[in-house]
Amino acid sequence: SQKIEQNSEALNIQEGKTATLTCNYTNYSPAYLQWYRQDPGRGPVFLLLIRENEKEKRKERLKVTFDTTLKQSLFHITASQPADSATYLCAASDRGGFKTIFGAGTRLFVKA
Amino acid sequence: SAVISQKPSRDICQRGTSLTIQCQVDSQVTMMFWYRQQPGQSLTLIATANQGSEATYESGFVIDKFPISRPNLTFSTLTVSNMSPEDSSIYLCSVGVAGVGTGELFFGEGSRLTVL
Repeated sequence: SQKIEQNSEALNIQEGKTATLTCNYTNYSPAYLQWYRQDPGRGPVFLLLIRENEKEKRKERLKVTFDTTLKQSLFHITASQPADSATYLCAASDRGGFKTIFGAGTRLFVKA
Repeated sequence: SAVISQKPSRDICQRGTSLTIQCQVDSQVTMMFWYRQQPGQSLTLIATANQGSEATYESGFVIDKFPISRPNLTFSTLTVSNMSPEDSSIYLCSVGVAGVGTGELFFGEGSRLTVL
């Protein structure tokens, strides 16, 4: 079955460093990969989307890569801040763009 | 973008009862979805709510247990029927913005159900 896998262990980093989160997918060739942020008790919030024909996408301090050979996406937060502490969800959707499956998320803690 | 309001935000229910969750969107949207997020786990798609026709359910979810209505392009309800403690979860309404077609989803804040 289609699977989105993220590192279940929490990621702890120091403020100012770059956080890198990994997302791997199996039995699937998604047209889009997306990253969402979820805070405790809140719904996910969309951050970035990257298409299968794109290698890299940037938005302010965020960068996403999409490697269709490795079947992997990397999500980077540069100059991380304590306010970036949250759970980050990777999601994949098909060419129709609307059936989306999610990974379990990686919790990020940024220490001041 | 879209602003999504869900009600109730949380509830405590007795085993065997049913609860209906409402989802209101501030604009007309083509695609509306219901997800479940069990404690510490990822989001699982329950069904796609189709306007004017029956919802499309994912494997493992059935209409008798999770009846869905979609009377117009801005509103949907999900009912969790004959609840058991295993149904304790967060239920999330989400929408795909019409015309974008890229899979970007907007979510409500969720409805946290606890079944005793």
